[in-house]
Amino acid sequence: EIVLTQSPGTLSLSPGERATLSCRASQSVDNNVAWYQHKPGQAPRLLISGASSRFTDVPERFSGSGSGTEFTLTITRLEPEDFAMYYCQQYGGAIPTFGQGTKVEIK
Amino acid sequence: QVQLQESGPGLVKSSETLSLTCTVSGGSLSNNHWTWVRQTPGKGLEWIGFIYYTGTTDYNPSLNGRVRMSIDMARSEFFLYVTSLAAADTAVYYCAQGAGRLVMWGQGILVTVSS
Repeated sequence: EIVLTQSPGTLSLSPGERATLSCRASQSVDNNVAWYQHKPGQAPRLLISGASSRFTDVPERFSGSGSGTEFTLTITRLEPEDFAMYYCQQYGGAIPTFGQGTKVEIK
Repeated sequence: QVQLQESGPGLVKSSETLSLTCTVSGGSLSNNHWTWVRQTPGKGLEWIGFIYYTGTTDYNPSLNGRVRMSIDMARSEFFLYVTSLAAADTAVYYCAQGAGRLVMWGQGILVTVSS
């Protein structure tokens, strides 16, 4: 099973700041990585797939990069609605797996 | 836009079988994979498996053969069954559209396994 390690566990930032979230895979998954945003009581939302392709209606401030084992989700200027949990997921291995999440909280 | 909604019991007894339903609205089940994921405090998000609209399934081996899925195209519903429940199966269960990337999710249903 491919293990995904996300860092940091918590990111404390102010609105308008840049957020950089990392996801490391225990072995190469090529570009088969997705990023999700999850707010309490809501359905998780797909932001990025294929490591760097924004999903429908996702704002341009969200971008993904990386390939192989190192991946990054960047939010260029945090809006109030962006404070949430973020998970990466790999689907390049036989069993899809998720990272443990990064919480982006208001500083 | 496709919407998904999980339904089922919120409390089940250990050793029994959990049955959950995912109702899909705003789109067809055809030509899609439909996935179940669960979230526990200890293990985080765990992929349970998927069912293709034709009935083909793929399950996570970590559940040791306790999982089965089915689909009812006419009712726009798909189903999850987990047998031999234990406390470790207590989780929020989500249904989602897709097999790799999951493009739409339900809000989830909390299932507690009691002894």
